[in-house]
Amino acid sequence: GDSVTQTEGQVALSEEDFLTIHCNYSASGYPALFWYVQYPGEGPQFLFRASRDKEKGSSRGFEATYDKGTTSFHLRKASVQESDSAVYYCALGDRGSSGNKLIFGIGTLLSVKP
Amino acid sequence: DTTVKQNPRYKLARVGKPVNLICSQTMNHDTMYWYQKKPNQAPKLLLFYYDKILNREADTFEKFQSSRPNNSFCSLYIGSAGLEYSAMYLCASTRGTGGREQYFGPGTRLTVL
Repeated sequence: GDSVTQTEGQVALSEEDFLTIHCNYSASGYPALFWYVQYPGEGPQFLFRASRDKEKGSSRGFEATYDKGTTSFHLRKASVQESDSAVYYCALGDRGSSGNKLIFGIGTLLSVKP
Repeated sequence: DTTVKQNPRYKLARVGKPVNLICSQTMNHDTMYWYQKKPNQAPKLLLFYYDKILNREADTFEKFQSSRPNNSFCSLYIGSAGLEYSAMYLCASTRGTGGREQYFGPGTRLTVL
């Protein structure tokens, strides 16, 4: 079945560091790809999505590019802030079914030191 | 208002007892979902309602029930809780199909003792 793999379980950075969180997917066709962010005590929040090969999604300084060739959707930010500390989920949208199902990766905990 | 509400936020249940979790949204979304999240695991879809039609995942088919009395409310029901049901339960909603983002509630943390 379809799946999403996030390589890093935890990432620890200092403010102004460059962030990369790796996300690879396994699915047929061109599934929609998402990034969600979850802050403590809250549910996951939609960050952005991409639906086509080479499409870039972006929000709040974060970005990711849909790469069909490498089946990847890596999250990047040029300069992280302490307020970016959260769990980041990569997800794949199952377009084949009614109801718009999401398949999530395990999540990456980002900790940013001031 | 893009808020999804969940009640209660914390639930303590005894093994063998029933559990009922509630979710509500006022965005007129036609689809509502329930996910289970355990530590070090990805959020796992349990079931969803598309309008009035309930869809349950194959591997959780017999473990969870749900009802949607109207467009705004959706419940998740466990008939007899076991220790393995201890988890965070996340409710989400969206409008339509085709790769749209889902809006999540803050979750209900269920502890079964």
